[in-house]
Amino acid sequence: QVQLVQSGAEVKKPGASVKVSCKASGYTFTGSYMHWVRQAPGQGLEWMGWINPNSGGTNYAQKFQGRVTMTRDTSMSTVYMELSRLRSDDTAVYYCAITFGGVIVHFDYWGQGTLVTVSS
Amino acid sequence: QSVLTQPPSVSGAPGQRVTISCTGSSSNIGAPYDVHWYQHLPGTAPKLLIYGNTNRPSGVPDRFSGSKSGTSASLAITGLQAEDEADYFCQSYDTSLSVVFGGGTKLTVL
Repeated sequence: QVQLVQSGAEVKKPGASVKVSCKASGYTFTGSYMHWVRQAPGQGLEWMGWINPNSGGTNYAQKFQGRVTMTRDTSMSTVYMELSRLRSDDTAVYYCAITFGGVIVHFDYWGQGTLVTVSS
Repeated sequence: QSVLTQPPSVSGAPGQRVTISCTGSSSNIGAPYDVHWYQHLPGTAPKLLIYGNTNRPSGVPDRFSGSKSGTSASLAITGLQAEDEADYFCQSYDTSLSVVFGGGTKLTVL
């Protein structure tokens, strides 16, 4: 079955960077798009962008451009999301999620989420 | 501030029917891009409930149904059960080339 397993919780100081991983299994890794979505405490979901695991191509939400980098390791079927220059309002649960058949579609599967806490 | 607007909470007694609305604009739902719905229990991965406005993935009970009209969509849950208590959120796409979400609705089963 499809599984997306994310790395564990992180605590970072303001100004630092965080790198969250998402290991995929149960489907063809290069046959999907991997997105990152976050949810701050008490807030709704916020889309951050996607990476095409096949080509490595990316598309980032305008809000995160310049601060987010999504990469992949096809040998490990793993995608990474790095967010730099962290601020307190980056405290959130970060999810990876996959879409098949393009990017203007639904998320078929989600990871379990990774809590990132930014605090001095 | 979420791009799509949902009521913060809804409630209903077991066996009843509840609906959750999702209101957008001409640049997303009305563009027209499809609307999808997810169920989210705290601490777990969100689960796809409805895709392409009205379609249920296999394994999702037919108590869940979706509809769309103009710039709005709705999720209906009939025969409410205690296990349905969760957060529900809608998702679509926007002409700004972004995935957009609703703010989420907390369903309480009384």
